Amino acid sequence: QQPVQSPQAVILREGEDAVINCSSSKALYSVHWYRQKHGEAPIFLMILLKGGEQKGHDKISASFNEKKQQSSLYLTASQLSYSGTYFCGTEIWNTDKLIFGTGTRLQVFP
Amino acid sequence: EPEVTQTPSHQVTQMGQEVILRCVPISNHLYFYWYRQILGQKVEFLVSFYNNEISEKSEIFDDQFSVERPDGSNFTLKIRSTKLEDSAMYFCATPGGNEAFFGQGTRLTVV
Repeated sequence: QQPVQSPQAVILREGEDAVINCSSSKALYSVHWYRQKHGEAPIFLMILLKGGEQKGHDKISASFNEKKQQSSLYLTASQLSYSGTYFCGTEIWNTDKLIFGTGTRLQVFP
Repeated sequence: EPEVTQTPSHQVTQMGQEVILRCVPISNHLYFYWYRQILGQKVEFLVSFYNNEISEKSEIFDDQFSVERPDGSNFTLKIRSTKLEDSAMYFCATPGGNEAFFGQGTRLTVV
């Protein structure tokens, strides 16, 4: 039931782009994206509620393909502050739980 | 900005002891969640709580765990007899609508 994220890890130079994917085996009601720095709580980035919806702020955006039960997070022109572990969180229809994905560790170097 | 507050920030306990982790959620949020994260690993769903009742729980949330809302504001997670493998960060969260907020977590160390 846990969504699978890919890749497991990404190493970038500042200014490079990255895409993180999240795939579920269940029909999804919504997808959340979070970033977690080491030793800290996950920080909410955005939520996508409708199939095909794309959301974004600054240079981080995401899409949600309801039919494929997938979401992707797009990081453009990465900054050092983007480093951390990214988790998708999925809500399945008719359940009251938000399940986190396997995580993607992203490191941005100067 | 609305805030979820967890106490204590760090708890050390002996194996077999009971621990109570506390969370003050954002007022007017109806859903509350507890998560566990063993160091360096994934964020694991434990339980969701809605309208003073457990709504969903995971396989991890066995009879050793319980959740309560004792006074209408605080929200507690109790582990009755702690095991070494319960050592982890425990987060409460209030997702819903277009926002989701996590507390800063309680680091539980069982020795």
